[in-house]
Amino acid sequence: KAGVTQTPRYLIKTRGQQVTLSCSPISGHRSVSWYQQTPGQGLQFLFEYFSETQRNKGNFPGRFSGRQFSNSRSEMNVSTLELGDSALYLCASRPSGTSGTEQYFGPGTRLTVT
Amino acid sequence: AQSVTQLDSQVPVFEEAPVELRCNYSSSVSVYLFWYVQYPNQGLQLLLKYLSGSTLVKGINGFEAEFNKSQTSFHLRKPSVHISDTAEYFCAVMYGGATNKLIFGTGTLLAVQP
Repeated sequence: KAGVTQTPRYLIKTRGQQVTLSCSPISGHRSVSWYQQTPGQGLQFLFEYFSETQRNKGNFPGRFSGRQFSNSRSEMNVSTLELGDSALYLCASRPSGTSGTEQYFGPGTRLTVT
Repeated sequence: AQSVTQLDSQVPVFEEAPVELRCNYSSSVSVYLFWYVQYPNQGLQLLLKYLSGSTLVKGINGFEAEFNKSQTSFHLRKPSVHISDTAEYFCAVMYGGATNKLIFGTGTLLAVQP
């Protein structure tokens, strides 16, 4: 099976712009989660989607949003970019929404905000 | 508050020596525990997981970890490391219940020297 894929892998944006990142989960996986990784804050949970519904949300401002499509692919959007949004954004998928199952991570999208 | 502590930010070790990376988590009735490895410019790869059952779990690349409920620990060990084990290692906890998010420790850089 192909792994989790994320596009684009690298992105450079300017402050104030918005950005959309894409994640395709492993075939058959219905749950997709997003994480932000920065040197200062480490790995932080953004949100989780299951069957097109947001099930959990981390402690991030409303500028961060996401959605999931019927084929389980997911996108996350960040509006009005700030310098502090520069990070590696990781997507993870798992077969179901059941607690306790491991998540499989993609390679991430490296976002640089200038 | 739910938290994961990796006290060692960096662990230098010589090749073929044993290593232990420490992880402690805040107590909870139901937890699922994971160790992930991250190589430079890559996503996270699952090393091993504890969901239930035997407290000693074996993972990929010769790593193992022991779940200790009384000490709320999940330390990662390898009897003999290789240069290729040099990477960042993250301990993560998923608390049972409604939330399915992973809470990560701050990571430990394992630096294997020849």
